Amino acid sequence: DVKVTQSSRYLVKRTGEKVFLECVQDMDHENMFWYRQDPGLGLRLIYFSYDVKMKEKGDIPEGYSVSREKKERFSLILESASTNQTSMYLCASSSPSSTGTEAFFGQGTRLTVV
Amino acid sequence: DAKTTQPTSMDCAEGRAANLPCNHSTISGNEYVYWYRQIHSQGPQYIIHGLKNNETNEMASLIITEDRKSSTLILPHATLRDTAVYYCIVRWETGFQKLVFGTGTRLLVSP
Repeated sequence: DVKVTQSSRYLVKRTGEKVFLECVQDMDHENMFWYRQDPGLGLRLIYFSYDVKMKEKGDIPEGYSVSREKKERFSLILESASTNQTSMYLCASSSPSSTGTEAFFGQGTRLTVV
Repeated sequence: DAKTTQPTSMDCAEGRAANLPCNHSTISGNEYVYWYRQIHSQGPQYIIHGLKNNETNEMASLIITEDRKSSTLILPHATLRDTAVYYCIVRWETGFQKLVFGTGTRLLVSP
């Protein structure tokens, strides 16, 4: 069974802390994505990566950075957490194939910054 | 990426067919239509995709109009577990491209 695993389901951090959200996929996918989801705003793309050590900004990259040192792992970093970064964070991976390019999502990390 | 337009919410009775529409009037010839759904507190799940022809799998059917400017996702016999937010996305099939989700349609299936 294909799997995208996010390291934490729930996380509570203090304002100003450096926060790492980890995502691991076991499907050898080239593409990985980080989204955040807020009520009424849907899923918004933060960063994505199409290869190891490659990264591209999404629609809302401010306040975030990412790291992709290995193909299977894509980390989202909040350099100095703020309360407006309280949200649900979703990781996804995908790869072009003859049957389609569907993406697979993790279960999400609900981050609360206090 | 072509933008999509979906109704904010829909209701459906359990056991009946749920027909979820999506408008994508600016879709280009090489863009596919993808559908995902997100059940509460879970990550989105792929349902189905298509280019021109109608498609069917174990989860749903996808009907794409001849001009490809709109499509309908059909859940033939909706169950309570189909209550979710459904997202319609258009994208290229080849090469890299980011996934862009809208706000989707919230489907409520009632007994």
